[in-house]
Amino acid sequence: NAGVMQNPRHLVRRRGQEARLRCSPMKGHSHVYWYRQLPEEGLKFMVYLQKENIIDESGMPKERFSAEFPKEGPSILRIQQVVRGDSAAYFCASSPASGGYEQFFGPGTRLTVL
Amino acid sequence: GQQVMQIPQYQHVQEGEDFTTYCNSSTTLSNIQWYKQRPGGHPVFLIQLVKSGEVKKQKRLTFQFGEAKKNSSLHITATQTTDVGTYFCAAISGTSYGKLTFGQGTILTVHP
Repeated sequence: NAGVMQNPRHLVRRRGQEARLRCSPMKGHSHVYWYRQLPEEGLKFMVYLQKENIIDESGMPKERFSAEFPKEGPSILRIQQVVRGDSAAYFCASSPASGGYEQFFGPGTRLTVL
Repeated sequence: GQQVMQIPQYQHVQEGEDFTTYCNSSTTLSNIQWYKQRPGGHPVFLIQLVKSGEVKKQKRLTFQFGEAKKNSSLHITATQTTDVGTYFCAAISGTSYGKLTFGQGTILTVHP
């Protein structure tokens, strides 16, 4: 059973470009979470999605950031017009349900904005 | 929003010494999870505590949940170099009951 897949593993963008981060949850998991981690800091929740639904986006910046989890295909975290402050590791996690289940994390996408 | 404070931020130990990290919340937690992240890696689930006063052991690791369910600790006995990494506590929060609020983490360095 493959784990959570994320791609790309490393992404370099120039200021003003768009970044698209992809996440395929573990087989059988319908709950996906995105977290951001700055160097030597903890993980900050961004958004929680189920298929075709955003359940909790309380951690998402109001502008430039969006997330989706379509009926078919991976979950996408999209960052428009990236700025240097967006440089971070972005982790996706999945679980079979919410509320007290462990979250399985993917390897992360390291985004560098030049 | 909910905050989870974790101390210490850094801990350097000699191999064979014990290690403890503490997690505190100002509000009562329904449960708490612990994760380990190796340098350059991703968080890996260690355990979940649910009951007041609960104690769980995994080999050299001992996890405790306070009686008031506002604090938790992770204790490692006789550290090994393989224990190196960052240890995070995380609490379920949010009305959706899916959001994890992480502590700042404790970075453990083990000197051989």
